[in-house]
Amino acid sequence: SQTIHQWPATLVQPVGSPLSLECTVEGTSNPNLYWYRQAAGRGLQLLFYSIGIDQISSEVPQNLSASRPQDRQFILSSKKLLLSDSGFYLCAWSSGPSFGNQPQHFGDGTRLSIL
Amino acid sequence: SQQGEEDPQALSIQEGENATMNCSYKTSINNLQWYRQNSGRGLVHLILIRSNEREKHSGRLRVTLDTSKKSSSLLITASRAADTASYFCATVQTGANNLFFGTGTRLTVIP
Repeated sequence: SQTIHQWPATLVQPVGSPLSLECTVEGTSNPNLYWYRQAAGRGLQLLFYSIGIDQISSEVPQNLSASRPQDRQFILSSKKLLLSDSGFYLCAWSSGPSFGNQPQHFGDGTRLSIL
Repeated sequence: SQQGEEDPQALSIQEGENATMNCSYKTSINNLQWYRQNSGRGLVHLILIRSNEREKHSGRLRVTLDTSKKSSSLLITASRAADTASYFCATVQTGANNLFFGTGTRLTVIP
């Protein structure tokens, strides 16, 4: 069966420090991968999605970047964190190719607090 | 914005009662999906209903879709305390691939 792993579960970082959040999927090949951010009490905002290795699409301009060095690995990064980067970050995957017509499966998220 | 809007924002019911949550959206869609999120956790997919479908069932869940009114409803029958969670609708706009999530309904089921 397919599983998605996301770590760390919580992270406290100072303003201006770098960030690296990792997400891996097991049990499937060529997944579509997603990074979302969820503000407290709100819905999800799509940050990045990827349909293949090194194929990244960004949905909103921001202080973050994403990379997909391997088929089932998706990394969210920042060189210098801002206070506004605080939030709950969720990784998800879906099967392709028509990813809009497939359910998405989520990891347990990373709670990021910027001090 | 394509983003769905759930109604009500919060709902509190007694165990055993039915819970109905509604979702409205603004443009034509390929499909609409409902997800559940327990506090501090990731989302869990519940049901996907395509634009040419009107109703789907899964266990105690019933989803309806009215594309003429651009609305959907999620009914949970015979609710349990374990159903306490936030419920989100998400839409895929016609011709697009990405999901747009609403802001959710917070359901509390009182034992």
